[in-house]
Amino acid sequence: GQQVMQIPQYQHVQEGEDFTTYCNSSTTLSNIQWYKQRPGGHPVFLIQLVKSGEVKKQKRLTFQFGEAKKNSSLHITATQTTDVGTYFCAGDAGNMLTFGGGTRLMVKP
Amino acid sequence: DVKVTQSSRYLVKRTGEKVFLECVQDMDHENMFWYRQDPGLGLRLIYFSYDVKMKEKGDIPEGYSVSREKKERFSLILESASTNQTSMYLCASSLGQGASYEQYFGPGTRLTVT
Repeated sequence: GQQVMQIPQYQHVQEGEDFTTYCNSSTTLSNIQWYKQRPGGHPVFLIQLVKSGEVKKQKRLTFQFGEAKKNSSLHITATQTTDVGTYFCAGDAGNMLTFGGGTRLMVKP
Repeated sequence: DVKVTQSSRYLVKRTGEKVFLECVQDMDHENMFWYRQDPGLGLRLIYFSYDVKMKEKGDIPEGYSVSREKKERFSLILESASTNQTSMYLCASSLGQGASYEQYFGPGTRLTVT
C-alpha cells in the first residue's frame, strides 16, 4: 500500500532558527495536506497543495509540492515558541489520506 | 465552526471488554474517519465512512468495527479489547467524499487497556 515517510522525526531548534520537515510518498499523490498538532491537542489543518511544483506561503511557513508530486516540504523561517508541535503531512493517492509519522518541533527560547 | 466531539477524553478498560468510542460532528459532513495515533507512527486509518450505513476499511481494521446509523455519528467498536489497542483514538470528519477535503479532528480519546 501507499507509504508516506516524514523526516526528521524530531527537531530541536533555537528560537529564531529555521526549520524544515520533508515528506516523501511511495506513490504519486493527487494532493498533499499539512496539519499541525500542538502538545496535548488534536491535528489542525494548515494547507493543501494540489499542483506539481506548487509553492504556498502562510506568514513564516512555506509549503512546497514536488514536481513529480511524490514529495513535499514545510519550511518555517525564524521559529517562535508558538511553532512548537508536531507537523504531519498527509498524502492522497486514492480515496483516503495516508499520514506521515510526523516531525516534532521543539523550540528553545 | 465545525465541531467534532468524542465521548471520552480518557478511558481505561480491561482486556476482553467490549469498548465503544463515540464521535459526533455538527456540520453535516459526508465523510467520517477513525484513526489511532501512536508515537512515531503518525495517524493510521482504521475505518472511514462516506455515508450513513456505509463503511470502508482503512490500513489497520483488524480488531475493530464501526457503525454509522446517523450522518452525524460514527462509532468505533473494539469487540474484545487487547493491550495492543492501548492508544490515542482520533475521530475526524470532512465535507465531501474522497480525500481532497480538509479533515476536522475531535479532541481524541486516550484508551488504556490493562
